[in-house]
Amino acid sequence: AQSVTQLGSHVSVSEGALVLLRCNYSSSVPPYLFWYVQYPNQGLQLLLKYTSAATLVKGINGFEAEFKKSETSFHLTKPSAHMSDAAEYFCAVSWRETSGSRLTFGEGTQLTVNP
Amino acid sequence: DSGVTQTPKHLITATGQRVTLRCSPRSGDLSVYWYQQSLDQGLQFLIQYYNGEERAKGNILERFSAQQFPDLHSELNLSSLELGDSALYFCASSGPGTSERSYNEQFFGPGTRLTVL
Repeated sequence: AQSVTQLGSHVSVSEGALVLLRCNYSSSVPPYLFWYVQYPNQGLQLLLKYTSAATLVKGINGFEAEFKKSETSFHLTKPSAHMSDAAEYFCAVSWRETSGSRLTFGEGTQLTVNP
Repeated sequence: DSGVTQTPKHLITATGQRVTLRCSPRSGDLSVYWYQQSLDQGLQFLIQYYNGEERAKGNILERFSAQQFPDLHSELNLSSLELGDSALYFCASSGPGTSERSYNEQFFGPGTRLTVL
């Protein structure tokens, strides 16, 4: 069965520091990979996605992620954290179907940014 | 604003009751997905509809049902509610997937927060 694991349910960084949120997937077929962000009392917003094009994907708000097939990973990074980055981040996977497909989410990582 | 709308925003009800959550997808999107977000289960896929037909089922309880209407809006019906059904219910929509840009990208609504007392 396909699954997604996010290492670390809580990550705390200082403002200006590197943000690294880890995501590993388990699948025999390379999936599509996504990172979503959820701010308090809001829905999910897509940060970036990997759909078998370039392995280094740039998203919104300065975030990027690199797909590493050999490591089955899709870690999210941002060089310099901002206070506004404090939120919950979800890694998700799906598989290509012509009619769309379900997302399988990781457990989420709560990012705290300290001044 | 994702273009996906959900009503109501909040719903408070009692155990044993039945409620209906409504979702309107983005203009042109044919697929609608329902997800449940709870503290103990995380974000879970419930069910997907594509152009009025059920396409995929996830961890959806038998007490729950959904449908997608000809105008493509969808409703999630939850019956015989239990305390454990308290959660945030999200609807998402995606396009027909005919281009790389629209493939698999799901746009989420703001959610309906259900509280069962």
